[in-house]
Amino acid sequence: DGGITQSPKYLFRKEGQNVTLSCEQNLNHDAMYWYRQDPGQGLRLIYYSQIVNDFQKGDIAEGYSVSREKKESFPLTVTSAQKNPTAFYLCASSPLSKGAGYGYTFGSGTRLTVV
Amino acid sequence: DAKTTQPTSMDCAEGRAANLPCNHSTISGNEYVYWYRQIHSQGPQYIIHGLKNNETNEMASLIITEDRKSSTLILPHATLRDTAVYYCIVSSLNQAGTALIFGKGTTLSVSS
Repeated sequence: DGGITQSPKYLFRKEGQNVTLSCEQNLNHDAMYWYRQDPGQGLRLIYYSQIVNDFQKGDIAEGYSVSREKKESFPLTVTSAQKNPTAFYLCASSPLSKGAGYGYTFGSGTRLTVV
Repeated sequence: DAKTTQPTSMDCAEGRAANLPCNHSTISGNEYVYWYRQIHSQGPQYIIHGLKNNETNEMASLIITEDRKSSTLILPHATLRDTAVYYCIVSSLNQAGTALIFGKGTTLSVSS
C-alpha cells in the first residue's frame, strides 16, 4: 500500500543537540511539507518542497533545515538554534497535478520532546 | 491565501447532521475551498473541496454560497468517530510555490 512514513514516532533530545526526523513517501507525489503543531493549536508550516533539490521556507523556518535529494524523501533537521523544539511534527505530501490544495496525505507524526 | 473564519467548537448528537460553517469573505475567483479534519494525535485527512458548485462524496457534502463568501461542510449522520478538528482552507488550483495554511479549525464533539 502506498503511504507516507514518519520515524520515529517519539523522540527525545537533549538541549543543544541537533536531531533529524525522517519522512518517506511511496505515493509518487511531487510535493512534500513539514508542519509543526503545538497543543491546542493549528498546524504551522516549516518548510515545503515541490521538486527535488528545491525547497521553500514556511512561516516558522528558523532553527530548522531540510533537504530534498530524492523525490521520496524529505528529512527535517531540528537544530540547536530552535529555541522551543518540543512539539508534534507532521510530514505531508501531495500530487500537485490536481491542484495546490488537493490530496494532502499526512504521516502519523513524530512527537519530539527536549529533555 | 484568503483567510477563513470558523467557530472554535461545536457539539453534535450522534446520528444527527453536523453542519460546520466557514467564512471566507475575501476569497478570490480562482481559489478553491478545501476541508480537512484531524482526529486526535493523527495527521489531517482530506475530506472534500469545491469551487462554486455544491459537492458530495462518501464522507460529506460541501455547500458553497452563490457569492462564495461562505461555505458549510455537512456530515449527514455524525458518529462518535467524527469527533475531530475540522479545517476550512482556501487555495488556488495552480498556485505554484505555496502550501496549505491550516488555522485552528473547529473542534467538533459528537456525543451519544
